[in-house]
Amino acid sequence: SQLAEENPWALSVHEGESVTVNCSYKTSITALQWYRQKSGEGPAQLILIRSNEREKRNGRLRATLDTSSQSSSLSITATRCEDTAVYFCATDSAGNKLTFGIGTRVLVRP
Amino acid sequence: NAGVIQTPRHKVTGKGQEATLWCEPISGHSAVFWYRQTIVQGLEFLTYFRNQAPIDDSGMPKERFSAQMPNQSHSTLKIQSTQPQDSAVYLCASSEWGFGNTLYFGEGSRLIVV
Repeated sequence: SQLAEENPWALSVHEGESVTVNCSYKTSITALQWYRQKSGEGPAQLILIRSNEREKRNGRLRATLDTSSQSSSLSITATRCEDTAVYFCATDSAGNKLTFGIGTRVLVRP
Repeated sequence: NAGVIQTPRHKVTGKGQEATLWCEPISGHSAVFWYRQTIVQGLEFLTYFRNQAPIDDSGMPKERFSAQMPNQSHSTLKIQSTQPQDSAVYLCASSEWGFGNTLYFGEGSRLIVV
């Protein structure tokens, strides 16, 4: 079973709208990372949020972390067509292997 | 600074043949990781090296799969006697020192076993 899981499996928004992807995880963590993978490319990190942080921003991206409920969210505001991708959360626990969920497919339509 | 380079980008191999995939990590990065990606399983960890030494190979199928890092500038993943279920995208990543910081992925090697 997956140690990290994103939901929903897929969603679609119009350009300019906001979108939120959620992540739940099953182990204690030292950090949680969000990655984005565009078609034909490898995943690229968007945000790394450590277990003692509750929120992190990077431009139009905002990640939250709630260690009590073992959940995180990634929000993208003012979406663009180029935000179309698969979004993954990934967790690591004290230097152990980084475990990815199966991802949320986000489609941004013109 | 060049990113992680993986070759070949695409490989078609017959069932039972051997496949070798190469990875050149980002210069100066001490940790190299291999993942396998399929639609059904998502991104699965295979193995990882730090300073060329194998650290964790818990995700590697015990038979037929092997990985090496003979020097700091490249790593190989070898699959012997390939099977159709080995068809996947194999992703290599590197980072400055290991998990807990950013992984930089290559574009992947798509392996198709027919």
